[in-house]
Amino acid sequence: GDSVTQMEGPVTLSEEAFLTINCTYTATGYPSLFWYVQYPGEGLQLLLKATKADDKGSNKGFEATYRKETTSFHLEKGSVQVSDSAVYFCALGSWESQGNLIFGKGTKLSVKP
Amino acid sequence: DTGVSQDPRHKITKRGQNVTFRCDPISEHNRLYWYRQTLGQGPEFLTYFQNEAQLEKSRLLSDRFSAERPKGSFSTLEIQRTEQGDSAMYLCASSLGDISYEQYFGPGTRLTVT
Repeated sequence: GDSVTQMEGPVTLSEEAFLTINCTYTATGYPSLFWYVQYPGEGLQLLLKATKADDKGSNKGFEATYRKETTSFHLEKGSVQVSDSAVYFCALGSWESQGNLIFGKGTKLSVKP
Repeated sequence: DTGVSQDPRHKITKRGQNVTFRCDPISEHNRLYWYRQTLGQGPEFLTYFQNEAQLEKSRLLSDRFSAERPKGSFSTLEIQRTEQGDSAMYLCASSLGDISYEQYFGPGTRLTVT
């Protein structure tokens, strides 16, 4: 069945460092891909999404490009801030799964001042 | 728009007891999803509703679990004869429709079975 694999954390970076969180997927159909973020004590929030190959999702300085050839959707940010400290989840959803999201295990990011 | 709300936020129960959780979706959203999240894992799909109809159930949803969404508004998730393995965060999400639409998540109900 469909699945998502993302790099394990925790990831600790200094403020203004470059961030990459790797995400790869397995899907039989043509999924949409998502990054969700969970700040401490809060619910999951959609960070960005891409619905077809070569689409780039972006929000709040974060970017991810839907790469069908490598089945990847890596999250990047050029300069992280302390406020970016959170758990990041890669997810996929498809028409075949009727929109139910399949999540990776999450990657905890800590940014130090 | 007050967002998705869940009640209670925390529940501690003894093994063998029944528990019920409530989710109030964003008012105009016709889809409602339940997920379960255990420590160190991502959320796992349990079931979803399109209006009042329950359209899909995961294999994770054993016969001790039941979910309802009367009148297509709020939803309840009941767990009967709780087991320690049921300890988890139960998340509710709602959306305007299919995969084209963003799922908005509530804060979750954390269940601890002792």
